[in-house]
Amino acid sequence: GAVVSQHPSWVICKSGTSVKIECRSLDFQATTMFWYRQFPKQSLMLMATSNEGSKATYEQGVEKDKFLINHASLTLSTLTVTSAHPEDSSFYICSARKNTEAFFGQGTRLTVV
Amino acid sequence: QKEVEQNSGPLSVPEGAIASLNCTYSDRGSQSFFWYRQYSGKSPELIMFIYSNGDKEDGRFTAQLNKASQYVSLLIRDSQPSDSATYLCASETADNAGNMLTFGGGTRLMVKP
Repeated sequence: GAVVSQHPSWVICKSGTSVKIECRSLDFQATTMFWYRQFPKQSLMLMATSNEGSKATYEQGVEKDKFLINHASLTLSTLTVTSAHPEDSSFYICSARKNTEAFFGQGTRLTVV
Repeated sequence: QKEVEQNSGPLSVPEGAIASLNCTYSDRGSQSFFWYRQYSGKSPELIMFIYSNGDKEDGRFTAQLNKASQYVSLLIRDSQPSDSATYLCASETADNAGNMLTFGGGTRLMVKP
């Protein structure tokens, strides 16, 4: 199957700082990538749809100024959590579609202390 | 509102038995359905997808779709302890932002040796 690489796998940051997470499609081009957040023992919740060359589409309740998404190329989307707070601690996962299938990155576990 | 419902479990089966995982969805516009397996702390990995009524088999896995009843299931034959994980059901619908996946809460499966 296709490969989606996400980096970093885990990060610990201080409250008030910003963290950037990268999502790359390694062997295919992805005009659309998706960012999900998953709290413990809960399902994936879609945060936003990242569109190459245009603004991301955010789900209701997700602050676009806090979760900055940039999809500058057909193989890279980034999610920046700005001014992170402990309640932002979660598992962030990106996915990209290749044909009819959605492939996921490895996920990034963010802990804000 | 699009909803995908799953019994959270845990579903416990003995090794070698058939595990039956069920999922219902609310949006009749859903086109395709996906089953993902997620180990604790890891990203989901695709098991299989189905978009036509009936059964689709892939190795030990069989997905079943009944659009009239808005019901999707996943059967795992000859269950192994390594199958112990959370299984996520997702439905795909198209909206203005493109095709989106809506996830259920997941069913935790435990296969006991």
